[in-house]
Amino acid sequence: TQLLEQSPQFLSIQEGENLTVYCNSSSVFSSLQWYRQEPGEGPVLLVTVVTGGEVKKLKRLTFQFGDARKDSSLHITAAQPGDTGLYLCAGGLGNTGKLIFGQGTTLQVKP
Amino acid sequence: SAVISQKPSRDICQRGTSLTIQCQVDSQVTMMFWYRQQPGQSLTLIATANQGSEATYESGFVIDKFPISRPNLTFSTLTVSNMSPEDSSIYLCSVGQMDGYTFGSGTRLTVV
Repeated sequence: TQLLEQSPQFLSIQEGENLTVYCNSSSVFSSLQWYRQEPGEGPVLLVTVVTGGEVKKLKRLTFQFGDARKDSSLHITAAQPGDTGLYLCAGGLGNTGKLIFGQGTTLQVKP
Repeated sequence: SAVISQKPSRDICQRGTSLTIQCQVDSQVTMMFWYRQQPGQSLTLIATANQGSEATYESGFVIDKFPISRPNLTFSTLTVSNMSPEDSSIYLCSVGQMDGYTFGSGTRLTVV
């Protein structure tokens, strides 16, 4: 069974602080996706990384895929209250189209 | 990316009854999935909805409990049958395309 361990599960920080969320697995994934979800809504895709060592930036968010395609990180610089939400990583399982989700990180950014 | 309309958004149901959740996509998609999520927690894949054939279920989920229909490439339904309080959860449909995956807004089900 493929598992994706996401940490931390909860994070409460002050506006302006930096943070990093990690996803780790013993399995290799064809892709790694990051989602953000707000209450009452479905997850919204932030980024997909597919190449080992790949780094993508989305404004204040930086995403990295590990060289071996088993782990990933999400770094947020100068967090803002609007960043509050549930962040989910998901590993792609090749041609099946299926995704394995991490446990999620609930982020609260206080003004 | 695709736009998904999922209905109902929420429902409160009596135990022993069934609820059918609908997922309508604004374009034809090959891959469609159904997930379950406890509020604030991760998503668990229930099944892959296959057009024109039986759905493919993940371990722990069976067709008798969660029958799925996929009559065409834009529509699917998930039925939660003979409900018990343990079925209280958020159910989401998702479609996969070249530019990524899109999720419906979910159906929050409470079984009393």
